Amino acid sequence: DAGVIQSPRHEVTEMGQEVTLRCKPISGHDYLFWYRQTMMRGLELLIYFNNNVPIDDSGMPEDRFSAKMPNASFSTLKIQPSEPRDSAVYFCASSLIGTTSTDTQYFGPGTRLTVL
Amino acid sequence: DQQVKQNSPSLSVQEGRISILNCDYTNSMFDYFLWYKKYPAEGPTFLISISSIKDKNEDGRFTVFLNKSAKHLSLHIVPSQPGDSAVYFCAASALGAQKLVFGQGTRLTINP
Repeated sequence: DAGVIQSPRHEVTEMGQEVTLRCKPISGHDYLFWYRQTMMRGLELLIYFNNNVPIDDSGMPEDRFSAKMPNASFSTLKIQPSEPRDSAVYFCASSLIGTTSTDTQYFGPGTRLTVL
Repeated sequence: DQQVKQNSPSLSVQEGRISILNCDYTNSMFDYFLWYKKYPAEGPTFLISISSIKDKNEDGRFTVFLNKSAKHLSLHIVPSQPGDSAVYFCAASALGAQKLVFGQGTRLTINP
């Protein structure tokens, strides 16, 4: 069982460039979550999907951020244009059922993004 | 506004002693609480959870205590082992919800 797969593991880019982060959830999981980890705020939920449909994007910081899930095995988080304050570790997680009290979210290894 | 707060960024404990990690929350709608553990260059992994109908849940060396009136929970690790060195995240949700709200994390270091 491969677990949640994220790519790239590290990304260094310059301010103003477009960044695309990728995630492959665990097969059969219906829920997919994108998180951002910073020192100040810890782990923040950005958006989550159920059966490829975005359910709650209230955590997306601004219009520069967008996320898609074109099929059950792939999701992207795009930042355009990127800014230095976007530097963080971005995690993707998936779960089978979704309800936190009866299910577990499985996290990928994360993408460390540095915007210069 | 941080609904889940871990006020200690770091904690250092001697091997074999007890580690106590603390977490406070502000949202009274939260009724399910979890702890996740994170090693460097890996994603967080689920450790232990507790429902608001309980005040204690134990799993081996790990025990979580919940004080609803104080809106406070803590994770006790006894005895602490070097492999417990990691970042620990507290998280909360409403029962039946899909969203988890995480704290900032506490870095635990177990010294030999």
